[in-house]
Amino acid sequence: EAGVTQSPTHLIKTRGQQVTLRCSPISGHTSVYWYQQALGLGLQFLLWYDEGEERNRGNFPPRFSGRQFPNYSSELNVNALELEDSALYLCASSDGTFNTGELFFGEGSRLTVL
Amino acid sequence: AQSVTQLDSQVPVFEEAPVELRCNYSSSVSVYLFWYVQYPNQGLQLLLKYLSGSTLVKSINGFEAEFNKSQTSFHLRKPSVHISDTAEYFCAVSQTNFGNEKLTFGTGTRLTIIP
Repeated sequence: EAGVTQSPTHLIKTRGQQVTLRCSPISGHTSVYWYQQALGLGLQFLLWYDEGEERNRGNFPPRFSGRQFPNYSSELNVNALELEDSALYLCASSDGTFNTGELFFGEGSRLTVL
Repeated sequence: AQSVTQLDSQVPVFEEAPVELRCNYSSSVSVYLFWYVQYPNQGLQLLLKYLSGSTLVKSINGFEAEFNKSQTSFHLRKPSVHISDTAEYFCAVSQTNFGNEKLTFGTGTRLTIIP
């Protein structure tokens, strides 16, 4: 069974540009989560989507947004990139039936903003 | 609000020596507790979890953690580490009445095994 897949794996952008990151959850999982892992800051919760709806968002500015498609895949969009947006962006999925906090992570998209 | 504290950002340990990675949490309600591991250049993988029942939980690769409610701790231990255990370890907590909505991670502990 395929795990959570993310694309692209690495990308470099410049300040002010926009970026779109993509995530495909494990088959059968309806919830997708996005986390930012910046150096020295641990994992910061960004967004949670379930059944196509945004259920919760972390303490990030509105230029961080996303969506979930009918096949449960998801996109994370970041507009007006800033240097501090450089980070590993991790996507995770879960089976909504077991709402215990156990998440399955992809390997991440590493964004570098110059 | 809940929080997780991993006091040690880096822990160097000699191969075959024991190790303890500390995790303390705060929460006003009942919790689920997790340890995730991130090997170099990979995403996070669940190492072990406490949901209910026995307070001592074990992973398939020799790690164990004990839920101590009175000390609000969930420390991770291994009696003898191997080079392959080199990774970053994250403690996480969620609320039993919210589950995935309220999953909070600690800042991580980087475990380095010295040959």
